[in-house]
Amino acid sequence: QVQLQQWGAGQLKPSETLSLTCGVSGGSFSGYYWSWIRQPPGKGLEWIGEMHHSGSTNYNPSLKSRATISIDTSKNKFSLKLKSVSAADTAVYFCARGKVMGNWFDPWGQGTLVTVSS
Amino acid sequence: QSGLTQPPSASGTPGQRVTISCSGNSSNIGRNFVYWYQHLPGTAPKLLIYKNNQRPSGVPDRFFGSKSGTSASLAISGLRSEDEADYHCAAWDDTLGGRGLFGGGTKLTVL
Repeated sequence: QVQLQQWGAGQLKPSETLSLTCGVSGGSFSGYYWSWIRQPPGKGLEWIGEMHHSGSTNYNPSLKSRATISIDTSKNKFSLKLKSVSAADTAVYFCARGKVMGNWFDPWGQGTLVTVSS
Repeated sequence: QSGLTQPPSASGTPGQRVTISCSGNSSNIGRNFVYWYQHLPGTAPKLLIYKNNQRPSGVPDRFFGSKSGTSASLAISGLRSEDEADYHCAAWDDTLGGRGLFGGGTKLTVL
């Protein structure tokens, strides 16, 4: 059974780069979309983007210029970098395995609260 | 950014049937599959329904997904206290080059 365990810095200052990593255990990277999703306080979920195991990527147009998703299959992990963060990027960030482009997320990571504050 | 539209809240008593709606347009729900996720705050969201009306293994048949045109619904029958959670619908949206799109979430309270 695939499990995702995520980690990364939870406190950032404006203009810094958010960096989160998601470790994958119990399954292969092949055939899936490795995704990041976030939930700002009091708001709904927002899809950030994904990388297919083949290397292709898709990003939310609203975040495309700042987000980078990468996969390291040798270390069974994938990562998110979001540059030039602001308070609007404060959210719980989730990693997830997607079975189709932009959806069918199962399983999810446990979530990481990232707070951007000066 | 605009997303799919869900009511912010819903409620019911144990044993009742509750329905949560999810409204979109021809660029998302109208042409793509709908997915539903159950989320208890502080935990990882869980896939509840995939491809409009399919239940993953382990999801009780009390949960029923449907789609018609540009709208979708999640029905929960025989409501139980452990069903109290946030429910999110999702679909791929073909605008702006394509993107994953979620609803704002519906908080279900079991009275």
